[in-house]
Amino acid sequence: SQQGEEDPQALSIQEGENATMNCSYKTSINNLQWYRQNSGRGLVHLILIRSNEREKHSGRLRVTLDTSKKSSSLLITASRAADTASYFCATGPYNQGGKLIFGQGTELSVKP
Amino acid sequence: DGGITQSPKYLFRKEGQNVTLSCEQNLNHDAMYWYRQDPGQGLRLIYYSQIVNDFQKGDIAEGYSVSREKKESFPLTVTSAQKNPTAFYLCASSFDSRYGYTFGSGTRLTVV
Repeated sequence: SQQGEEDPQALSIQEGENATMNCSYKTSINNLQWYRQNSGRGLVHLILIRSNEREKHSGRLRVTLDTSKKSSSLLITASRAADTASYFCATGPYNQGGKLIFGQGTELSVKP
Repeated sequence: DGGITQSPKYLFRKEGQNVTLSCEQNLNHDAMYWYRQDPGQGLRLIYYSQIVNDFQKGDIAEGYSVSREKKESFPLTVTSAQKNPTAFYLCASSFDSRYGYTFGSGTRLTVV
C-alpha cells in the first residue's frame, strides 16, 4: 500500500532556482522522512521530521510538516545540477513498528 | 567504514529458477528491510525483520522468502512462484524508523 503521494511527479528548473516538492499521506504517523535517489543507485536519507515538529532545516533543505492536512513539503534552495535525482517521502505509520511506506517520488532535473 | 552491502549488483534468472540476493550490514542495526522498485515507481515493502530469527511480511511478500539467522545478514530468495521478478531490489537497515534507513546500492534482477 502506497501511503504517500508526491507532487509534482517531475520538476525541471534552472540552476540557482528553488525546488519545492510536496507529499501527502493518509494515516497517523510517527515521523516523515525524505530520501534522495540518483539513477540506478540506492536511496540516501536526507532529513527526518517528527510528528510534533512543524519545520526543520538541514543545509539547503527545508522541510515542513502539517499533520492536520497530512502533508509535507521539501524545499531545496539555490539548486545545483548535482541535485538532479529522484526525491521520495516516506512515512513511519503510528503503531506499525519500524517500517516505512514510500511515495512514488518526484523526479527533479536541474539544468546548468 | 560501516555500511550495508548488497550483492550481486546484477543478476539474471531463468524461468523456474530460485535466486538469492545477499544483504549484509556492519552498522549493528537491529532492523532490516527488503524493498522492490519498478521503473519510475516508488518502493514497495517485501519483508522486514526487527530482530534476529523474526521477520514479517510486507505488502508484496508472495513469491519471496527471507531468513534472519544473524544480525548482520538478511538474504532474500526470489522463488519461481514470483511471476514478475524483474525489478530493482533494495535492502535497508536501521536502529528503527525513528532514525532513518541506510540503504544498500541495490541488485537489479532480470529474468531471461
